[in-house]
Amino acid sequence: DAGVIQSPRHEVTEMGQEVTLRCKPISGHNSLFWYRQTMMRGLELLIYFNNNVPIDDSGMPEDRFSAKMPNASFSTLKIQPSEPRDSAVYFCASSPRRTNYGYTFGSGTRLTVV
Amino acid sequence: AQTVTQSQPEMSVQEAETVTLSCTYDTSENNYYLFWYKQPPSRQMILVIRQEAYKQQNATENRFSVNFQKAAKSFSLKISDSQLGDTAMYFCALLIQGAQKLVFGQGTRLTINP
Repeated sequence: DAGVIQSPRHEVTEMGQEVTLRCKPISGHNSLFWYRQTMMRGLELLIYFNNNVPIDDSGMPEDRFSAKMPNASFSTLKIQPSEPRDSAVYFCASSPRRTNYGYTFGSGTRLTVV
Repeated sequence: AQTVTQSQPEMSVQEAETVTLSCTYDTSENNYYLFWYKQPPSRQMILVIRQEAYKQQNATENRFSVNFQKAAKSFSLKISDSQLGDTAMYFCALLIQGAQKLVFGQGTRLTINP
């Protein structure tokens, strides 16, 4: 298995632009998680899905952030409009629905908003 | 709410030495799982070791072992015969049984010097 695949690996955009981050979970994993990593706040859970349905989005910082999972093999995290304080590494992770073995993480997308 | 605390922001040791990273956590739950993740400069989050709270025996994976003290809510990671490739950020994490949110500590940056 290729693991959790995220794209792009790096993204540089100007303030005010729309940014879309993409994630392909491991086949057969029916839970998907989006995390944000910053120096100041560490790893924060933004939202997670079970069977393509959003379960908890309480970590989404603002209405500018939205996430979708149209099918079992694809999810997006969108920021519109982007701001410099959104600069961070965004991780996607997946796991089987009932697991006590933690998650498998993607390689992350480093987002820089200038 | 669950919290995880790593009190050592940075550590540095010489190659071949043994190093111990500290982690404490807080939860009112009795059944849970603890993890150590490694994040090398490549940014990939890699699961190092996992401990089940109901098991008294400390988990071991090759050069990596834990000291799990349930009453003290302490979960330290020991790396024996450290290698240059062990240089990374290390995150302690907590997962409550039946829940899905993995709660992370702030991380410890470990440098192995030649």
